[in-house]
Amino acid sequence: NAGVTQTPKFQVLKTGQSMTLQCAQDMNHNSMYWYRQDPGMGLRLIYYSASEGTTDKGEVPNGYNVSRLNKREFSLRLESAAPSQTSVYFCASSLRMNEKLFFGSGTQLSVL
Amino acid sequence: TQLLEQSPQFLSIQEGENLTVYCNSSSVFSSLQWYRQEPGEGPVLLVTVVTGGEVKKLKRLTFQFGDARKDSSLHITAAQPGDTGLYLCAGGATDKLIFGTGTRLQVFP
Repeated sequence: NAGVTQTPKFQVLKTGQSMTLQCAQDMNHNSMYWYRQDPGMGLRLIYYSASEGTTDKGEVPNGYNVSRLNKREFSLRLESAAPSQTSVYFCASSLRMNEKLFFGSGTQLSVL
Repeated sequence: TQLLEQSPQFLSIQEGENLTVYCNSSSVFSSLQWYRQEPGEGPVLLVTVVTGGEVKKLKRLTFQFGDARKDSSLHITAAQPGDTGLYLCAGGATDKLIFGTGTRLQVFP
């Protein structure tokens, strides 16, 4: 069982470059999330999609956009990367909102 | 702003020792989830507690939700190297899930 798959695993960007992080789940979950994890700050919610066709801002949405492409896929886009966006990004999904989240293995992003 | 504070931040112990990790808030949560995260991986859910005073056991791990649903603890008996990882609590509110900052546990053989 694949669970939650996110790509790429590692990425290095220069300031101002753009990129999209991809996420797909195969558990028929309704809700999907993007978090970032920084040392000493825990997991912070960037954007979430409670169900297919909806997206909402989380705690730290500035500088990011998302697309819920279908029930399986939820992508995160950085339009103009900044060094402050250096972090580890996790995609997660759950059957019901905020209950029993399943996480991907993360994307380590460095912005130089 | 709802905050979840975990203590201690870091814990290094020898195999066989017991330990307790705390998760505290001034806010009431409808539920409390505990996750473990290993290096290079995403967090994995260990347990969810929903009732004030609830105690759940998972082999050597005992989870407790405070009576007032503002705090929780995780007790590990006879820790093993395989317990090494980052332990995260997450409190469920009306429309959000708040993660604590984590306790990094290292168990030496």
